[in-house]
Amino acid sequence: AQSVTQLDSHVSVSEGTPVLLRCNYSSSYSPSLFWYVQHPNKGLQLLLKYTSAATLVKGINGFEAEFKKSETSFHLTKPSAHMSDAAEYFCVVFFTGRRALTFGSGTRLQVQP
Amino acid sequence: GAGVSQSPRYKVAKRGQDVALRCDPISGHVSLFWYQQALGQGPEFLTYFQNEAQLDKSGLPSDRFFAERPEGSVSTLKIQRTQQEDSAVYLCASSFNFGRNQETQYFGPGTRLLVL
Repeated sequence: AQSVTQLDSHVSVSEGTPVLLRCNYSSSYSPSLFWYVQHPNKGLQLLLKYTSAATLVKGINGFEAEFKKSETSFHLTKPSAHMSDAAEYFCVVFFTGRRALTFGSGTRLQVQP
Repeated sequence: GAGVSQSPRYKVAKRGQDVALRCDPISGHVSLFWYQQALGQGPEFLTYFQNEAQLDKSGLPSDRFFAERPEGSVSTLKIQRTQQEDSAVYLCASSFNFGRNQETQYFGPGTRLLVL
């Protein structure tokens, strides 16, 4: 079965410390992978996407993610958290054979001053 | 347009009422998607259009849900005889031609529906 799992529903970090949001997927093929961010009362915004080019993908606002096929993971990282990073983050997968995106359940990132 | 727009932004309906939610995609975008996001959950796929053709409606939860895009631009999601479990945020997304290159989907701000 094809699925996407976000391992943490809630992550809390201090401002200026690293961020790690974990995502694993299950697929028979290498899918296209995305991270979206959702700020309160705002639309979903694309942070970055992987589509079988370089395995380390750089996105907006200093975020990056690494595709590891052997681990079926696509974790999102940022070296130093900012207060404005507080939001809900979704790992999203496009599985070959479907036309729609499949969203993980989301990780709420809280940034403490 | 500058982005995907949706209206209304908020809708309160009494159980049993019909509602219509509108989506204006980015001009020129061929693909249009509807998603439903329940509280505390990730969005879930409802239906997909390529121009005016509804190519996939497998995510519609019941026959009370109906979507259309008659001229290949604006889309309307209609929910008949609303139930409390229909309460959610309904998101619309568009992309230039998703079916070909898995291009980025651009999301609207959503319509928050509350059924009392």
